Amino acid sequence: QQQVKQSPQSLIVQKGGISIINCAYENTAFDYFPWYQQFPGKGPALLIAIRPDVSEKKEGRFTISFNKSAKQFSLHIMDSQPGDSATYFCAAPWGGSNYKLTFGKGTLLTVNP
Amino acid sequence: GAVVSQHPSWVICKSGTSVKIECRSLDFQATTMFWYRQFPKQSLMLMATSNEGSKATYEQGVEKDKFLINHASLTLSTLTVTSAHPEDSSFYICSAGDRAVRGYTFGSGTRLTVV
Repeated sequence: QQQVKQSPQSLIVQKGGISIINCAYENTAFDYFPWYQQFPGKGPALLIAIRPDVSEKKEGRFTISFNKSAKQFSLHIMDSQPGDSATYFCAAPWGGSNYKLTFGKGTLLTVNP
Repeated sequence: GAVVSQHPSWVICKSGTSVKIECRSLDFQATTMFWYRQFPKQSLMLMATSNEGSKATYEQGVEKDKFLINHASLTLSTLTVTSAHPEDSSFYICSAGDRAVRGYTFGSGTRLTVV
């Protein structure tokens, strides 16, 4: 199973600040790298995803930066809000046509008001 | 957008009994469904992959006779935890995938507590 290394394990940011979470992956031939947001007691929800043919994708306050040569991608949350406090998981596909996902260990983000 | 409905959201059962968890794709056909297990403050661990009309594929270390998966239609997959024990207490989450959707939409999860 492909490993995905996520850091940091936890992150505390002040309201209005920038939250940055990093993820590194091993070799892969697939073209899909998502970030998921999970609130306590809920299933993960797709936040944003990127294909490796672009280096950056922005959706509102959320941006993915992708570095294919370094096999790294990161999530940037601009103007972080207390409502963004959640656990964030990066993921990467493996397993051939079934598109299984392997998840990073998660980052617990706390945005202080 | 794609919606996956998972029920029940929580269940408490006695040790030795069986529990069934349902996962339905509401507005798309899920050719593949995934079942995950998540312990508190940990990541999601893939348990098995089910393809409609065929046997599920279990990940290494997952007991297929304990965690029975059925994917009889393109919109419904079920996970049955048989002869549940306290160590089976966990958060179980399904995910439905389809090449057109590609979003790996997750259900809301089921909190299983075995007493």
